[in-house]
Amino acid sequence: AQKVTQAQTEISVVEKEDVTLDCVYETRDTTYYLFWYKQPPSGELVFLIRRNSFDEQNEISGRYSWNFQKSTSSFNFTITASQVVDSAVYFCALSEGNTGTASKLTFGTGTRLQVTL
Amino acid sequence: EAEVAQSPRYKITEKSQAVAFWCDPISGHATLYWYRQILGQGPELLVQFQDESVVDDSQLPKDRFSAERLKGVDSTLKIQPAELGDSAMYLCASSLVRLGDMNTEAFFGQGTRLTVV
Repeated sequence: AQKVTQAQTEISVVEKEDVTLDCVYETRDTTYYLFWYKQPPSGELVFLIRRNSFDEQNEISGRYSWNFQKSTSSFNFTITASQVVDSAVYFCALSEGNTGTASKLTFGTGTRLQVTL
Repeated sequence: EAEVAQSPRYKITEKSQAVAFWCDPISGHATLYWYRQILGQGPELLVQFQDESVVDDSQLPKDRFSAERLKGVDSTLKIQPAELGDSAMYLCASSLVRLGDMNTEAFFGQGTRLTVV
C-alpha cells in the first residue's frame, strides 16, 4: 500500500527566510511518481512538480527546489527567500506507475506554511 | 488557460436531502477524478474514470454516492441521502493520458464546499 507522510503540520517563517517542507513516502512499486501541490486559501490545488522514480536529479524552478532521495524515500521541497504569497497548504502526493491506466494520487496530510512580514 | 470547471462552489444542504456536483474537465483529458477533502486532511479518491468507464470506485460509499460520466466528458457526483459526515470539499481533477505515460499531472478544479446541516 502507498503512504505519504508529511510530519510538519504547520510552519511559520518570516519573509525572506528559507523553508523546507518534508515528505516521506512508502511504496512497493519500483516505478512511481511523486508530486507537490499548493493549495491557497481559495481552495484549488495547484500543480508544482512531478518526478518519476528513475530521475533522482534535483530540480530548481525560481525560488523553488526539490530534493529527491530514493535511499531515504524522501522528496523534500525548499522555498528560498519566502514571500507572503507563498502562504498556503502544501501537499506531497504519490502515484503508482505502469498500471495500464492513469493512477490515483495518494496525498499526505499537508503542511500549512505561514509567511509573515 | 484551460481549467477544470466545477459547480456549485458552495452548497449547504440538510441531512437526508439529495445533492449533486458537476465537473467539466479540461478538453481532451481522458481521465477524470473525484476526490473528497475533509478539513485538515489531504484529498482522498472517491472515483476515477477513464473516458466513460469507472476505473476505481473502491472508496466510493456506494449506498449513498453515485457518479457518472456518460459521454466521457463532463461528470456528475451525487449524494443521496446526505449525512452530516459528508461535509467536505469535493474536488474534481483531470489528466491527459499520453501513450506511454500514464502518470501525467492532474489538474484540479476549485472544488465544491459542501456543508450538511
